[in-house]
Amino acid sequence: ETGVTQTPRHLVMGMTNKKSLKCEQHLGHNAMYWYKQSAKKPLELMFVYNFKEQTENNSVPSRFSPECPNSSHLFLHLHTLQPEDSALYLCASSQVLLTSENEQFFGPGTRLTVL
Amino acid sequence: LAKTTQPISMDSYEGQEVNITCSHNNIATNDYITWYQQFPSQGPRFIIQGYKTKVTNEVASLFIPADRKSSTLSLPRVSLSDTAVYYCLVASGYSTLTFGKGTMLLVSP
Repeated sequence: ETGVTQTPRHLVMGMTNKKSLKCEQHLGHNAMYWYKQSAKKPLELMFVYNFKEQTENNSVPSRFSPECPNSSHLFLHLHTLQPEDSALYLCASSQVLLTSENEQFFGPGTRLTVL
Repeated sequence: LAKTTQPISMDSYEGQEVNITCSHNNIATNDYITWYQQFPSQGPRFIIQGYKTKVTNEVASLFIPADRKSSTLSLPRVSLSDTAVYYCLVASGYSTLTFGKGTMLLVSP
């Protein structure tokens, strides 16, 4: 596979469940990102990882827990979510930590529904 | 981070040229202008990037006037498959991109 892949593509979970979203990039990039896109809202940057180290956490609630075991994989662990957390979760990567000249490559996203 | 303003929506017909203008009055000297395209339930996709004057690739052209306070994305001869949301972003240095609400382009037959 090439590019940025995300699994699962769709996920329905209850508020007491624990689930994980997975992102994998096959581009040899060193920076990876998690975004949240709620209905009719702009993309919100959640987390930034550079060479496996978290460099940014945009005041995301602790019920979202990221993990980056290596530069190619990124996880988002979910627990005790709320219905308002239902959204499209997008993973992205870039060659180096994002600068204005760098292109960011996005995955297809995971459509999450919290019941 | 320079704030951008673009129309909420635009309508066009197949075969027409579409120009989407983005205002960024507070653009900084080192800022680049980047446009992304997003289809429903998919991640955004890079279209084009520029710093000044004109940039052209196989998908679009980007026109940037001398004062760089605005930019125009030009899509030649659009088709139905160009229906999407188009985002204009301005950033420089080690700054994360901020996506606004974008412009929803609807192409009709």
